[in-house]
Amino acid sequence: QVQLQESGPGLLKPSETLSLTCTVSRGSISDYYWSWIRQPPGKGLEWIGGIYYTGSANYNPSLKSRVTISVDTSKNQFSLKLSSVTAADTAVYHCARDCLSGYAGEGFDPWGQGTLVTVSS
Amino acid sequence: QSVLTQPPSASGTPGQRVTISCSGSSSNIGSNTVNWYQHLPGTAPKLVIYRNNQRPSGVPDRFSGSKSGTSASLAISGLQSEDEADYYCAAWDDSLNGHVVFGGGTKLTVL
Repeated sequence: QVQLQESGPGLLKPSETLSLTCTVSRGSISDYYWSWIRQPPGKGLEWIGGIYYTGSANYNPSLKSRVTISVDTSKNQFSLKLSSVTAADTAVYHCARDCLSGYAGEGFDPWGQGTLVTVSS
Repeated sequence: QSVLTQPPSASGTPGQRVTISCSGSSSNIGSNTVNWYQHLPGTAPKLVIYRNNQRPSGVPDRFSGSKSGTSASLAISGLQSEDEADYYCAAWDDSLNGHVVFGGGTKLTVL
């Protein structure tokens, strides 16, 4: 069963760049679409963006100017960078895989457990 | 404001059947498939329906999904206390180079 694990700093200051990595284990990053999804405290789920193993990426239009998602197939990892963070970016950040090989947006399964990122001065 | 519209809350008693609606537009639900997630606090969301009405392995057949036009629904029959959770719908949206959109979530309470 493929497993996903997020890693990265848990505390940032306003204007810094959030950098998270998702490591895929017990399976290959190839053939699938991989996404980042976040949930601010007390709010709903928000899709940040996603990327095919080939490197082709899509982004949430509301975050696109600040987001970069990349993939490293040699390390079985994909990464998220979110620039110029503010308190509004405080959230639990999850990485996830699409449930169907070769498709995007058909359903996220599995998910990483999530990592809390807090933006505070 | 979420792109997909869900009622903020729903409720039912054990054994009842409840439905949760999800309304979108021609660029998302009208053109693509809908998936549904169950989310318990402190855990990762769990996919319960994909491709409108398909259940992943291990999801009870009490969960079912449907889609018509630009709307979709999640139905839970034989409601159980462990079904109490937040439920989210999601779909691919073809606008603006393509992206995933979520509903705002529905808090299901088992009375």
